[in-house]
Amino acid sequence: QVQLQESGPGLVKPSETLSLTCTVSGGSISSYYWTWIRQPPGKGLQWIGYIYYSGSTNYNPSLKSRVTISIDTSKTQFSLKLGSVTAADTAVYYCARVITAPGTGGWFDPWGQGTLVTVSS
Amino acid sequence: DIQMTQSPSTLSASVGDRVTITCRASQSISSWLAWYQQKPGKAPKLLIYKASSLESGVPSRFSGSGSGTEFSLTISSLQPDDFATYYCQEYNTYATFGQGTRLEIK
Repeated sequence: QVQLQESGPGLVKPSETLSLTCTVSGGSISSYYWTWIRQPPGKGLQWIGYIYYSGSTNYNPSLKSRVTISIDTSKTQFSLKLGSVTAADTAVYYCARVITAPGTGGWFDPWGQGTLVTVSS
Repeated sequence: DIQMTQSPSTLSASVGDRVTITCRASQSISSWLAWYQQKPGKAPKLLIYKASSLESGVPSRFSGSGSGTEFSLTISSLQPDDFATYYCQEYNTYATFGQGTRLEIK
């Protein structure tokens, strides 16, 4: 059974870079897309971006200029970097596996438990 | 960009009720829609994919329908464990979520 676990600092200063890692266990990281999603406190879900195990990426256009997602298949990990953060980037950040449909995006299952990142000085 | 609009935003119901949540897409997304359930402090859980396919292990009281721009999630007989927030997600392009529907106890 595939499990995902997010890790990284819970507090980031404004204008700095948020960095998180998702560790995949219990299954292969190959042949799948992987994704990051975030949820500001008390609000809805926002998709951040996808990465394929080969390294190809797609990002949410609203965040594209500040986001980098990378993957290390040898460590079965993928990572998120979000630059120039502000208080608006305070959220619970989730990683998830993408189950793709041919020619489209996909649905997300399973999800990690999520990690709260607060942007504050 | 595709916009996803859920209604209602909040739904009050009782155990045993049949409830339906609607999700409307701003353009056709064929059947590329998923539904999730989220409880406070927890990650979302996949319920339905491809508009009407029930994820393994999800109770059969949950069902999804629709195609194009209009979709619905129905719970045939509410159980105490079902009170949660529900999100739809399109994956015709990348991924866009609806704003959520909070299902509360009447």
